[in-house]
Amino acid sequence: NAGVMQNPRHLVRRRGQEARLRCSPMKGHSHVYWYRQLPEEGLKFMVYLQKENIIDESGMPKERFSAEFPKEGPSILRIQQVVRGDSAAYFCASSLGNGNQPQHFGDGTRLSIL
Amino acid sequence: AQSVTQLGSHVSVSEGALVLLRCNYSSSVPPYLFWYVQYPNQGLQLLLKYTTGATLVKGINGFEAEFKKSETSFHLTKPSAHMSDAAEYFCAVGNSGGGADGLTFGKGTHLIIQP
Repeated sequence: NAGVMQNPRHLVRRRGQEARLRCSPMKGHSHVYWYRQLPEEGLKFMVYLQKENIIDESGMPKERFSAEFPKEGPSILRIQQVVRGDSAAYFCASSLGNGNQPQHFGDGTRLSIL
Repeated sequence: AQSVTQLGSHVSVSEGALVLLRCNYSSSVPPYLFWYVQYPNQGLQLLLKYTTGATLVKGINGFEAEFKKSETSFHLTKPSAHMSDAAEYFCAVGNSGGGADGLTFGKGTHLIIQP
């Protein structure tokens, strides 16, 4: 049973480039969540998606950030024109449903901006 | 709106001693509560959860937590610490009111085990 798979594990980008982070949920899970973790901080919710739908993006920065979860393939978190402040660990989680269903986390993508 | 406060960014205990990690929450609806553990360079692993029913919840690795509504607390305990328990622990609250369900996390407590 594969868990939540995220790739790449580490990503280095220069300022102004684009970053694409991928997340494949656990088998059978149709709910995907993205979180950002800054050093010495807890995880901050960014966006919640179901297949082909964004359910809640209240935690997403208004500009440069977007997320999708297509009918086929992994969920993608896309950051355009990256800046130094985007350096963080980005975690994806998936669940069977919302509410009391626990979220299962991937190992994260550590994004470094040069 | 929801929030989580974890008292103590670092907690140090001796091997074999009681572990107590504190978590207080605020929520406008009955909360779902979770404890996660994070080892270096890894994702979060679910330790235990409270949704409804029994307020004392048992999790993996000998951990348990008690939901106290009157104190808005969900403290995590383990009777006897082991060296392998050294990690970062996060308390989180979820929304039982339906709709969006991004978890709200505390800032974490780094558990240090002294030999």
